[in-house]
Amino acid sequence: GESVGLHLPTLSVQEGDNSIINCAYSNSASDYFIWYKQESGKGPQFIIDIRSNMDKRQGQRVTVLLNKTVKHLSLQIAATQPGDSAVYFCAETAIKAAGNKLTFGGGTRVLVKP
Amino acid sequence: DGGITQSPKYLFRKEGQNVTLSCEQNLNHDAMYWYRQDPGQGLRLIYYSQIVNDFQKGDIAEGYSVSREKKESFPLTVTSAQKNPTAFYLCASSSQGAAQETQYFGPGTRLLVL
Repeated sequence: GESVGLHLPTLSVQEGDNSIINCAYSNSASDYFIWYKQESGKGPQFIIDIRSNMDKRQGQRVTVLLNKTVKHLSLQIAATQPGDSAVYFCAETAIKAAGNKLTFGGGTRVLVKP
Repeated sequence: DGGITQSPKYLFRKEGQNVTLSCEQNLNHDAMYWYRQDPGQGLRLIYYSQIVNDFQKGDIAEGYSVSREKKESFPLTVTSAQKNPTAFYLCASSSQGAAQETQYFGPGTRLLVL
């Protein structure tokens, strides 16, 4: 079936460096994508979203890139801080999806080294 | 404070027992969702509701039941038919349940079997 997946299960990054988290999706009908951050024992926290009519969107220290040709999504975190240590999930949905159903990837754990 | 609350934070279930997880939101959102998260994995949709007195099965509804008698409340019952209930349960809501809406999550309830 259709799925959203991640290439790297764990990413170790030095404090101050930039982080790049990747996500592949297989549903060509997907047109809305969200990145969530989940800290241990807590619910996912919205970070940034992007619609399929865009290739790039920037937030505070974060940038999401969407390549529809190869069905690839990435999240870039600038100047990674210790507070960025968490599991990051990508999620996708299609405008035709009943009830705004989201499909989640398996997650990437980001570990920030001091 | 506006947001989504879930209770209890931890819940223990005995064999053959039904247990109910609470989810309340004061965001005036129409749509509410229940997800299950297993260790090291992404979220899977159990049930969702786009309007009061109406709800739909998600991808893994077997062994679960819900009700939506009030807009702000969407309780989830884990029945004895759910043979592997140990997981982290997350409730979410979105404004109207329409396409391309962000879903916001509560803090979660961890269910453990005695």
